[in-house]
Amino acid sequence: SYELTQPLSVSVALGQTASITCGGNNIGSKNVHWYQQKPGQAPVLVIYGDSNRPSGIPERFSGSNSGNTATLTISRAQVGDEADYYCQLWDTSARYVFGGGTKLTVL
Amino acid sequence: EVQLVESGEALEKPGGSLRLSCAASGFTFSNAWMSWVRQVPGKGLEWVGRIKSKTDGATTDYAAPVKGRFTISRDDSENTLYLQMNSLKTDDTAVYYCTTVSSTATTAWFDTWGQGTLVTVSS
Repeated sequence: SYELTQPLSVSVALGQTASITCGGNNIGSKNVHWYQQKPGQAPVLVIYGDSNRPSGIPERFSGSNSGNTATLTISRAQVGDEADYYCQLWDTSARYVFGGGTKLTVL
Repeated sequence: EVQLVESGEALEKPGGSLRLSCAASGFTFSNAWMSWVRQVPGKGLEWVGRIKSKTDGATTDYAAPVKGRFTISRDDSENTLYLQMNSLKTDDTAVYYCTTVSSTATTAWFDTWGQGTLVTVSS
């Protein structure tokens, strides 16, 4: 099976840049997708294919993927960005794999 | 506007069966690959299973914990996705989300999510 490792929590000061990592064996050879989930709501896709933003997602959200780490970067963090963030990829054997999720707190 | 609306909350005893439904609108359902993803309250996301479009064979694939117990089907005439859940276990207690699936040759992701429906398995 394939495992994705995320930090349990990340904190960022209001207006600063947050980086949320997703670790996996040679993850840079795969495509990573990211979801935002606010309390009591369904997840929302914020990045697909490592670095592509769906329509309606602010440019402040960006993604990168290399080596053993994929990263979701949120620039100029806002209180409204507080949420759980999940990375996900597709693997031929494990199929659809999610990371454990990271809780983002904006201070 | 793309919308996915799951059926209401459900409670069942261990060993019992339930069928969830998901009504789709705002897109061409018959062309879409669809999936179910679940989340134990307070925990992370877990993929349950996927069904391809009929033109792609309507083939299904399931996660190991539900394989042989859960079945995904679709009714393209009614724009509805189903999840038949048999031999339920307490570990199946979760919020179940219906999603659309987009894919390329090498990857796949979940575009749009329903609001989720809570399934509780308890004696």
